[in-house]
Amino acid sequence: ETGVTQTPRHLVMGMTNKKSLKCEQHLGHNAMYWYKQSAKKPLELMFVYNFKEQTENNSVPSRFSPECPNSSHLFLHLHTLQPEDSALYLCASRGTSGGAMVWEQYFGPGTRLTVT
Amino acid sequence: AQKVTQAQTEISVVEKEDVTLDCVYETRDTTYYLFWYKQPPSGELVFLIRRNSFDEQNEISGRYSWNFQKSTSSFNFTITASQVVDSAVYFCALSEAENNFNKFYFGSGTKLNVKP
Repeated sequence: ETGVTQTPRHLVMGMTNKKSLKCEQHLGHNAMYWYKQSAKKPLELMFVYNFKEQTENNSVPSRFSPECPNSSHLFLHLHTLQPEDSALYLCASRGTSGGAMVWEQYFGPGTRLTVT
Repeated sequence: AQKVTQAQTEISVVEKEDVTLDCVYETRDTTYYLFWYKQPPSGELVFLIRRNSFDEQNEISGRYSWNFQKSTSSFNFTITASQVVDSAVYFCALSEAENNFNKFYFGSGTKLNVKP
């Protein structure tokens, strides 16, 4: 148990659907991340939030819309996706925890997304 | 150019063999962190080790050992007496002071198959 949870774990959606992925971290970290992992491709950084502010948007298409209401929660809103968006979406967190700096990222189990 | 290169795409060994996973990184920063993560078939990335740029001391943790050499910009990972449970994809990563250690650069991963 790493302290980062993601829901749902599996999601199948059509290209016209709207859905959201949720990530929650229970580690007291201040930074949260979304990554995309496609088959046989390296991890792709999508978004970074630091103290609820977006600090990185790695040229992600607008059909992916992140939301970070507080340092513990991160959402990824999905709409009009394409089949090539099918992938494992991973959330991670890091930063200060109890006054100490945490340099490494801790990952959630991921959401396996299939777009039909 | 990739900041983190894992040239070995896939390695297969027989149980009890030793295996070394290579990682070469590139950075202009003098202060940085290097990491290794394990991704079993379940999908979640599990943090294994962190090293900062000022600490070249090698580390051993059970069957795992890490060799950090700044002269060759390498951070290699050795598993001694491999076991079937070591089968996973292993990722090397880098974070730099240049962007407050908020951005992680991951290698493309090495898939390790340990056969009984």
